[in-house]
Formats: sequence, structure tokens, C-alpha cells
Amino acid sequence: EDKVVQSPLSLVVHEGDTVTLNCSYEVTNFRSLLWYKQEKKAPTFLFMLTSSGIEKKSGRLSSILDKKELFSILNITATQTGDSAVYLCAVVPIQGAQKLVFGQGTRLTINP
Amino acid sequence: NAGVTQTPKFQVLKTGQSMTLQCAQDMNHNSMYWYRQDPGMGLRLIYYSASEGTTDKGEVPNGYNVSRLNKREFSLRLESAAPSQTSVYFCASSEALRTDNSPLHFGNGTRLTVT
Repeated sequence: EDKVVQSPLSLVVHEGDTVTLNCSYEVTNFRSLLWYKQEKKAPTFLFMLTSSGIEKKSGRLSSILDKKELFSILNITATQTGDSAVYLCAVVPIQGAQKLVFGQGTRLTINP
Repeated sequence: NAGVTQTPKFQVLKTGQSMTLQCAQDMNHNSMYWYRQDPGMGLRLIYYSASEGTTDKGEVPNGYNVSRLNKREFSLRLESAAPSQTSVYFCASSEALRTDNSPLHFGNGTRLTVT
């Protein structure tokens, strides 16, 4: 059975800290991995990763994929209170988005 | 640009009542999805529609029906609500099932409580 596991499930840090969120997966016929940020409402898209070793970057957020070890990390540097959210990882297999598998999410809280 | 719009935002039902959750997207996407989100379970796919005129079951379809009314709209119906259907429901859309260039875009969710 396809599975995506995120760790930690919950993380509390102080503003200015750097955090690393983990996503490991067991998915047959992997195609891509997606990261989403979910504040109070809709998950919003952050990154799509398809190739190993290529870092995707957007401001203070960056992410990288390791297809050999079957995991991805999401880094956030110089965290701000606005980064507080649930971060979701999802893996898309070759068959398509109808088989997309989500992890449980990591709840990140940034204290001022 | 509205993106994916869901109505209602909140709903309380009694066991056995029925209701329809509405979803519309204005991005000209072909594929649409209904997910439910429960604590500790992540998002789970209920039904999806690869393109206008088609619908298929996802991971947890029991107790639900869907209608792809046209390219823009995809509704989810609970015929006889049960407490186990208390959840937050998200509608999403993408250009196609192949998400290489088009990740899923989500609506703001409907929080449903069944008593």
C-alpha cells in the first residue's frame, strides 16, 4: 500500500529559527512530490519536485528530493510567525493525481 | 481571480439528513476532486472527475455521490448523513490528472458536523 509519512507531526520554534520538515514515502511508480502550506483554510501550493538533487527555492523556503532514499525535506530559514501552518507533503504516482497520497502533515508553530 | 469556490463554508446536519456541497472553478481545469480531511488522517480522496462527463471513486467513496454538472462545477452529495461523515471537505481542481505542470488547487473547505 502506498504510504507517505511526515515528521515531526508537530514542531514549535522561535521566530528566526531554521526548521527542517521531513517527508518519506513508499509509492510504486513515483512521478512527483508536492508540498503544500495549509493555514486556516485551503492548502496552497509551494513546490513540485520530480528530480533528485535539484533544490527548489522560493524566498526563505527551499525543498529537495532524494529518489534513491525516498524522501524530501522542506527547509524554512529565518522563520516568521506567518510561517505558522500545517505543511502537507503529497506524492503523485505515474497513474495520475487520482492516486495522489498525502501525508498527515506537520503542524509548525512559530512563537514570537 | 476566484480559483476554486466551495459552498457552504459550514453546515450542521442531523443523522439521516441529506445535503449537497457545491464546488466551482474558474481556471478552465479539466479534472476535479473531492477530499475529506480528518485529524491525523491527512487528505483522503472521495471521488474525482478526470474530465467533463466522467466520475470515478476514490479511496473513501461510501456514503457519497457526485455530479460533474459541467466543466466548471462538481458537486458532492450526502444522501443520508452519518456522524462518521463529520469532517472538513475540500474540493480541488487541476488541468489534468497528469499534474506535471499543474498541481492541485484547493477551495477553502466546508466544515460539516453530523449530530
